[in-house]
Amino acid sequence: EAGVAQSPRYKIIEKRQSVAFWCNPISGHATLYWYQQILGQGPKLLIQFQNNGVVDDSQLPKDRFSAERLKGVDSTLKIQPAKLEDSAVYLCASSLVRQRAGELFFGEGSRLTVL
Amino acid sequence: AQSVAQPEDQVNVAEGNPLTVKCTYSVSGNPYLFWYVQYPNRGLQFLLKYITGDNLVKGSYGFEAEFNKSQTSFHLKKPSALVSDSALYFCAVRAERSNDYKLSFGAGTTVTVRA
Repeated sequence: EAGVAQSPRYKIIEKRQSVAFWCNPISGHATLYWYQQILGQGPKLLIQFQNNGVVDDSQLPKDRFSAERLKGVDSTLKIQPAKLEDSAVYLCASSLVRQRAGELFFGEGSRLTVL
Repeated sequence: AQSVAQPEDQVNVAEGNPLTVKCTYSVSGNPYLFWYVQYPNRGLQFLLKYITGDNLVKGSYGFEAEFNKSQTSFHLKKPSALVSDSALYFCAVRAERSNDYKLSFGAGTTVTVRA
């Protein structure tokens, strides 16, 4: 079974530039998550999708971050304009259904460096 | 609000010795508890979870964890550590009942097993 795919793995940009990250979840997984992992901290949920609908985006900085999952499969996370503090690893995860007891399956992450 | 504390930033043990990684949690009502492991430049991998039932949970790679409700703890253990267990370990919690499905992670504990 293929895992969660993310690209690009690494991205270096200057502040005020824009960047986009792509995620393809495990086939059949209805729930998709984007997490931000800053060095030395645990992952923080940015946004959660159930199929193509947003169920939780309370911690997404909406003035600069946006995400979509148009066909209920793959997803894109965009940052525009980027700030220095956005330097982090952006992790995509998926789960079969929106279960409290269900574990998440993570991709390898996209490491963003903002200069 | 729910939260997880991992009181040790680093744990160092010799190969063959027992390994313990500590975790305490705070949540309204009953918790669902998870442990994930992250190897360098990789995504998080699920190790084990506590949902209900037996307080001792067994997971992947010989790891186990003990749920202690009175101490609100969920410590990860391995009887005999291997060098290959060197990684970053995250504890996470989700409330059994709430409108919030968010999975909250601790800051992580870096485990180093020396040969």
